[in-house]
Amino acid sequence: DGGITQSPKYLFRKEGQNVTLSCEQNLNHDAMYWYRQDPGQGLRLIYYSQIVNDFQKGDIAEGYSVSREKKESFPLTVTSAQKNPTAFYLCASSISYEDGYTFGSGTRLTVV
Amino acid sequence: KQEVTQIPAALSVPEGENLVLNCSFTDSAIYNLQWFRQDPGKGLTSLLLIQSSQREQTSGRLNASLDKSSGRSTLYIAASQPGDSATYLCAVIPLGSSGDKLTFGTGTRLAVRP
Repeated sequence: DGGITQSPKYLFRKEGQNVTLSCEQNLNHDAMYWYRQDPGQGLRLIYYSQIVNDFQKGDIAEGYSVSREKKESFPLTVTSAQKNPTAFYLCASSISYEDGYTFGSGTRLTVV
Repeated sequence: KQEVTQIPAALSVPEGENLVLNCSFTDSAIYNLQWFRQDPGKGLTSLLLIQSSQREQTSGRLNASLDKSSGRSTLYIAASQPGDSATYLCAVIPLGSSGDKLTFGTGTRLAVRP
């Protein structure tokens, strides 16, 4: 079955470390997105990519980086510059933004 | 700036009841509206997508309507079951955006009591 796979499900980061969250889709979708979800704040867009080798900053891109070398993959790196990284991270994809979004199961990142 | 509000924020009903969740948005110029379900600690599951030219969509016990002129959408759940307990989110894509303007509502947390 087609879908979006996020890994790992849980991730723990020490202070000063960079960590990378994986997002893979086999839906043949062109567009992919990363969102951050915090309690009481809803979903906020971190980065999005509408085509391979191109991506754009969202509302809260500081402290994060992405790459889009393959159509099916859109990894997110949380750098040490992100001061409050503890959150639930969701990856999504769409054929185009008019056609609705499909979300992955999420990665919960905790700073220890 | 598009703002999306969902009322009520939380709802508790007995099993078997029919219920309506509300979603309102401030700018009626949208491509589409999508309803999602989120279980605790899980990702978002798409329930229904209503294109701007449509007025409603149905899937099983779920029916979503869209009234762009009034900036409102409703999600109707028939014969609710305990398994329907989750948070329900609506999201809109404004016309003229480039994929970065998917705006989510604040969510309605639903509890269906056995």
